[in-house]
Amino acid sequence: DAKTTQPNSMESNEEEPVHLPCNHSTISGTDYIHWYRQLPSQGPEYVIHGLTSNVNNRMASLAIAEDRKSSTLILHRATLRDAAVYYCIPYNAGNNRKLIWGLGTSLAVNP
Amino acid sequence: EAGVAQSPRYKIIEKRQSVAFWCNPISGHATLYWYQQILGQGPKLLIQFQNNGVVDDSQLPKDRFSAERLKGVDSTLKIQPAKLEDSAVYLCASSTGTVATNEKLFFGSGTQLSVL
Repeated sequence: DAKTTQPNSMESNEEEPVHLPCNHSTISGTDYIHWYRQLPSQGPEYVIHGLTSNVNNRMASLAIAEDRKSSTLILHRATLRDAAVYYCIPYNAGNNRKLIWGLGTSLAVNP
Repeated sequence: EAGVAQSPRYKIIEKRQSVAFWCNPISGHATLYWYQQILGQGPKLLIQFQNNGVVDDSQLPKDRFSAERLKGVDSTLKIQPAKLEDSAVYLCASSTGTVATNEKLFFGSGTQLSVL
């Protein structure tokens, strides 16, 4: 299984952009990169996923490095509601078809 | 659309007692997952159902944990007997297909279990 490395915690100010990094240097060529976030006392929620090219949706953008060994989740304007734990999860499309969750990055947003 | 429903929200039991959790997935979702999340850690998959069949239960402690999904809709997860280390949040999730198709998972709010 591909291993991921994320900062334990990050801090941002409200209405500023946030760049959440993830290192997944052992990712295989067919693994997608999924991002979920978990607000306090709630279950995780899907944010975005991608394979090679950058992806955008209403919640965030995902920038994937050309060598696919790292990616960055971008929140364009952080709000207080974005304070959560963000998980970067390489999806193993092989026989072991499951999302392997790490410890994630705890994002604090200052008003 | 209604989300994934779980009950109870909280449960406190003593060790060696039994406990059951219930999950109602989003209507029409074929795949249902049970995760265990220990404080400070990411979720760990316990069991995955595709309709009413088990796809993956490799990390389910089968000597004390059991799960069923009757008629391919609702599901229950049971622990008997509970141990102190079972204290965790138990999350239920569902998806339309499988993660193999990159379908996103929808999670319930979880059941927080405390074993004393």
